[in-house]
Amino acid sequence: KNQVEQSPQSLIILEGKNCTLQCNYTVSPFSNLRWYKQDTGRGPVSLTIMTFSENTKSNGRYTATLDADTKQSSLHITASQLSDSASYICVVSVSGNNRKLIWGLGTSLAVNP
Amino acid sequence: DSGVTQTPKHLITATGQRVTLRCSPRSGDLSVYWYQQSLDQGLQFLIQYYNGEERAKGNILERFSAQQFPDLHSELNLSSLELGDSALYFCASSPLGSGELFFGEGSRLTVL
Repeated sequence: KNQVEQSPQSLIILEGKNCTLQCNYTVSPFSNLRWYKQDTGRGPVSLTIMTFSENTKSNGRYTATLDADTKQSSLHITASQLSDSASYICVVSVSGNNRKLIWGLGTSLAVNP
Repeated sequence: DSGVTQTPKHLITATGQRVTLRCSPRSGDLSVYWYQQSLDQGLQFLIQYYNGEERAKGNILERFSAQQFPDLHSELNLSSLELGDSALYFCASSPLGSGELFFGEGSRLTVL
């Protein structure tokens, strides 16, 4: 069964600290993996899209990694800011005739001053 | 601003009623997706249209229907509304070949 699991479910950190969010997936056949940021009550915004051959991708203070062998991805946030408080959602794309997106439930991050 | 426009932003209605949510995709995007997000839940895919044709169907109830018009805007119709239909409804569009989704700000539906 195609599934995306994220951990932790929620996280609280202090401003300026780093954090790492995890995503494990059991999706086949794999096409790509995406990380989205969703502010409360707003639409998700894409942070990164990674294909099978990409191990690391950065977008400012956000760095995503992908290990296609172990089917794991992480999102590392450096020098967190208050505006990083949001839900971070991992999404894996299934390729082939039955193409679709498998959405994780997200990690809720709170950055406190 | 993603370029995807959704109206209305907020809607309050009663059980048993019918509402229509509207979405205008980014200029040039042919694909439109509809998602439902209930309180503290993940996004649930409802349906996708590509250039006016239904492309994929997710967990869309029979009471819900959608269509994409020749000008590429899309409408999601929700009928016989129930309390459990209260949610944020997001529309997203995607440029051809990229697969990247650009989401609108959502329509918040409250059924009383």
